Amino acid sequence: GAGVSQSPRYKVAKRGQDVALRCDPISGHVSLFWYQQALGQGPEFLTYFQNEAQLDKSGLPSDRFFAERPEGSVSTLKIQRTQQEDSAVYLCASSPQTGGSYNEQFFGPGTRLTVL
Amino acid sequence: GQNIDQPTEMTATEGAIVQINCTYQTSGFNGLFWYQQHAGEAPTFLSYNVLDGLEEKGRFSSFLSRSKGYSYLLLKELQMKDSASYLCAVNSGYALNFGKGTSLLVTP
Repeated sequence: GAGVSQSPRYKVAKRGQDVALRCDPISGHVSLFWYQQALGQGPEFLTYFQNEAQLDKSGLPSDRFFAERPEGSVSTLKIQRTQQEDSAVYLCASSPQTGGSYNEQFFGPGTRLTVL
Repeated sequence: GQNIDQPTEMTATEGAIVQINCTYQTSGFNGLFWYQQHAGEAPTFLSYNVLDGLEEKGRFSSFLSRSKGYSYLLLKELQMKDSASYLCAVNSGYALNFGKGTSLLVTP
């Protein structure tokens, strides 16, 4: 009965390094979301997958951010040439629904990224 | 654009009742969620409203008025463990648009 898991839980990167953040959604969940949560703020939408298809990436802040979900389950969020403003908690959420009104999203614990 | 407002901080006493308000202006509306988030942890689902009115769930209730773009979360019989951030989120398609969260401190 595992929930959404994310790894690593904490990541410290030097400015300019590339990082990869992993999300394991709940088994069978069709929809997967990535959010960015800055300190003291609410989560902000980054990107959305329905199975392996990335249907919306409008929230990705720059072309340094890239997400994939090649087999429709595990997803990876990659950030290239990290900058200090990328420091945040990156939350992954999954949902059994594909849209509509009631699409309760189940969140993982997040990866706290600190860029020095 | 999306605009979701809620108070930044609130303090209440153990055993009391607290109401956390949320107002929203969004380009679409498919329902409003309330999530609870303890520091360093994942947001967890509390309630969902898509029709006007009150939804009650144990010590927690949530109200929605779509015409006013307004919701509130009511927490009764407050416990110390209720100290957390409470996030109001509007579903305007498939993704959730969150407010900044209300940090609730419950004092003895």
